[in-house]
Amino acid sequence: AQSVTQLDSHVSVSEGTPVLLRCNYSSSYSPSLFWYVQHPNKGLQLLLKYTSAATLVKGINGFEAEFKKSETSFHLTKPSAHMSDAAEYFCVVSEELNYGGSQGNLIFGKGTKLSVKP
Amino acid sequence: DTGVSQNPRHKITKRGQNVTFRCDPISEHNRLYWYRQTLGQGPEFLTYFQNEAQLEKSRLLSDRFSAERPKGSFSTLEIQRTEQGDSAMYLCASSLGSGSNQPQHFGDGTRLSIL
Repeated sequence: AQSVTQLDSHVSVSEGTPVLLRCNYSSSYSPSLFWYVQHPNKGLQLLLKYTSAATLVKGINGFEAEFKKSETSFHLTKPSAHMSDAAEYFCVVSEELNYGGSQGNLIFGKGTKLSVKP
Repeated sequence: DTGVSQNPRHKITKRGQNVTFRCDPISEHNRLYWYRQTLGQGPEFLTYFQNEAQLEKSRLLSDRFSAERPKGSFSTLEIQRTEQGDSAMYLCASSLGSGSNQPQHFGDGTRLSIL
């Protein structure tokens, strides 16, 4: 079965310093992976997606993620944190069917809350 | 593209009452998903539609829950005889196409509180 593990429930950084949010996944087939961000009392916004075209994926607001198959990881990074980045971040894998197809529903990690200190 | 719209944003009701939520997807998106998110957790899949057909239901979706998508446009999620454990944020998402790499666009959710 597919699963996602976000290794940190809470990450705190200072404004202007790098951000690293860690994610490991489990999938039998070539997965589709996503990072979503959720601000308080809001829905989820797509930051970026990996769909096997390129291992380094660039997203919105300066975020990037690198797919590493050997490590089954898909960590999210940003060179310089901004106060507006404070939110909850979810690493997500698209659920696959047994024969390698997909029905598209998403499996979410438990989330990492990012705090940014001035 | 006006985004996914969910109504109401908040619903407070007494235990045992029935509630209904509505989701309007992005126009022409053929897939529509419902998720439930409890405090401190990531969203969990409930069910999804491709056009008007409900193709998959999670084990989380007890027989008190029913979802419809008449005419393949908006969708409703009804919970009958609500229980304390139903308190959560209910999120709707839509996507275009059927591939696993198609991103889902989420609404702002309906927060349900059971008294």
